[in-house]
Amino acid sequence: AQSVTQLDSHVSVSEGTPVLLRCNYSSSYSPSLFWYVQHPNKGLQLLLKYTSAATLVKGINGFEAEFKKSETSFHLTKPSAHMSDAAEYFCVVSDGNAGKSTFGDGTTLTVKP
Amino acid sequence: EAGVVQSPRYKIIEKKQPVAFWCNPISGHNTLYWYLQNLGQGPELLIRYENEEAVDDSQLPKDRFSAERLKGVDSTLKIQPAELGDSAVYLCASSFSLSGANVLTFGAGSRLTVL
Repeated sequence: AQSVTQLDSHVSVSEGTPVLLRCNYSSSYSPSLFWYVQHPNKGLQLLLKYTSAATLVKGINGFEAEFKKSETSFHLTKPSAHMSDAAEYFCVVSDGNAGKSTFGDGTTLTVKP
Repeated sequence: EAGVVQSPRYKIIEKKQPVAFWCNPISGHNTLYWYLQNLGQGPELLIRYENEEAVDDSQLPKDRFSAERLKGVDSTLKIQPAELGDSAVYLCASSFSLSGANVLTFGAGSRLTVL
């Protein structure tokens, strides 16, 4: 069994300040982990993925995430928020070979001018 | 390259009416998924196809929902009859499962409103 918990349903930051979106996971396997972003009325877009290579993963638009097995966490960060980062973010755990992906409930990121 | 294409984008129907959603995945992607996304929640898997075979339909409410993927390419998801609680966004995604990491590419979704 696998599950994902996104610890914050809403995060609000000022433009130019750091972003931290928190995600904890549970998996019986060596998981693959992903972050997706969903802008209003748009499809989900892959931000980054972890697949048992480097634990610090860099994604698009300046986002990165660090896989910490001891803490079962995969938090998403960005050094400086931009207005265009305002969106819904989903953390996803996958058992890879079995093709089953489980989504968290999402974190809404608001960026204030 | 075109992404995952879904239609219609929006559909409004009265309860007890039927509705169908169509999905065209990325060319070459052998795995196709239908997800249900309720407001304020993450997507939940309804059904997963490997080529033309439904390999995981455990969360599909089979009394009213059906799906097919003819020839292992396009897919249709049908609801008959629709209920008020079916109002949601229906997402289609595809992936190339032999690539290792299960990276999903999503369509824009079909938003269903049942009155």
